[in-house]
Amino acid sequence: AQKVTQAQTEISVVEKEDVTLDCVYETRDTTYYLFWYKQPPSGELVFLIRRNSFDEQNEISGRYSWNFQKSTSSFNFTITASQVVDSAVYFCALGSSNTGKLIFGQGTTLQVKP
Amino acid sequence: ETGVTQSPTHLIKTRGQQVTLRCSSQSGHNTVSWYQQALGQGPQFIFQYYREEENGRGNFPPRFSGLQFPNYSSELNVNALELDDSALYLCASSFIQGHTGELFFGEGSRLTVL
Repeated sequence: AQKVTQAQTEISVVEKEDVTLDCVYETRDTTYYLFWYKQPPSGELVFLIRRNSFDEQNEISGRYSWNFQKSTSSFNFTITASQVVDSAVYFCALGSSNTGKLIFGQGTTLQVKP
Repeated sequence: ETGVTQSPTHLIKTRGQQVTLRCSSQSGHNTVSWYQQALGQGPQFIFQYYREEENGRGNFPPRFSGLQFPNYSSELNVNALELDDSALYLCASSFIQGHTGELFFGEGSRLTVL
């Protein structure tokens, strides 16, 4: 069965702190895709990144970075120098190559205080 | 803004009633997926439509049904509403490229069943 676990329900940090959001996944597929989405209070899910299972290179995009480790089935997300605008719910998701279905984790609520 | 629009944004129904939610896909996208997001949970896949046919379904009963139209817009219909159907319903569009591509989400329709 496919599953995504985000063990951190809520995280609160002070602006400019670094914060890492954890994501652990389970799948038997050899080809799969991992995603991170941000959900602000408006409700819309905003795409942040997609990685396929064959590409374990870490990625950095501005203040955001992602650490994909197949050996531990983890796809963690780090925000460097957090800002108040980063406050949102963040979801990790798993997709297979056969369908458009995404399996989402429970989400991590990040609160960045000024 | 992703270009995926949903209507209505909020609605209130009573148990046993029927509801229709609408989604207009992003231009150029031929696939639409629907997700249910209960309060404090991650989105759960309901079904996906491609070329006006259902192309994958999650663990939802038959009273959840959908349509996709030639212009790729879509409807989600829920019959015999139950209290547990109260949730945010998210529509996502994508362009199938033979693998799980990026999904573009709308802001959702928030359904309250009393």
